[in-house]
Amino acid sequence: GAGVSQTPSNKVTEKGKYVELRCDPISGHTALYWYRQSLGQGPEFLIYFQGTGAADDSGLPNDRFFAVRPEGSVSTLKIQRTERGDSAVYLCASSEGGAGTYEQYFGPGTRLTVT
Amino acid sequence: AQSVTQLDSQVPVFEEAPVELRCNYSSSVSVYLFWYVQYPNQGLQLLLKYLSGSTLVKSINGFEAEFNKSQTSFHLRKPSVHISDTAEYFCAVSDIYNQGGKLIFGQGTELSVKP
Repeated sequence: GAGVSQTPSNKVTEKGKYVELRCDPISGHTALYWYRQSLGQGPEFLIYFQGTGAADDSGLPNDRFFAVRPEGSVSTLKIQRTERGDSAVYLCASSEGGAGTYEQYFGPGTRLTVT
Repeated sequence: AQSVTQLDSQVPVFEEAPVELRCNYSSSVSVYLFWYVQYPNQGLQLLLKYLSGSTLVKSINGFEAEFNKSQTSFHLRKPSVHISDTAEYFCAVSDIYNQGGKLIFGQGTELSVKP
């Protein structure tokens, strides 16, 4: 079956602009995660959704970052007033959700470059 | 809070040689442990995981990892590597009291297998 997909695969934007990154999880997966991976680093947690609600948003770096999942499937990560330091690969993952489901399936990522 | 340290950023090794990728973690609570692999131009994939029970866990492609609670380690080993094992390997932990929650990753180890 189809895995996690992310669009766009690459995004170049100017400092100060607004961007949206989209994630389509595996069908039926209720849990969805966003991570950010900077060059030479491991993925860093941003936010976790269980269904439509954000169960843990402790990793969002500041109020310029916001994510939604209005229907419990597709999620959008929104970044306002982008800064050069936001340049990274943004990864989305999904899992079946609920107790005892530990494997997170990752998408290919969106490479964001802020110039 | 948890943290993960991968002691080697790069590990070059010749084909058919043994390899060990080291991972140490820090946590005030019990954790689940994971190794993810990222092959060139692909997304992160789960390689193996420790949840409970036997402290030695194995993957289908010959890797194994052993959970050592006293040393807070989860080192990854393979007795004989192949060229196709060339990839970046990430160790990760999650809080057992937050099932289905976020993963905390190490910085990654780049395994380079040479002929």
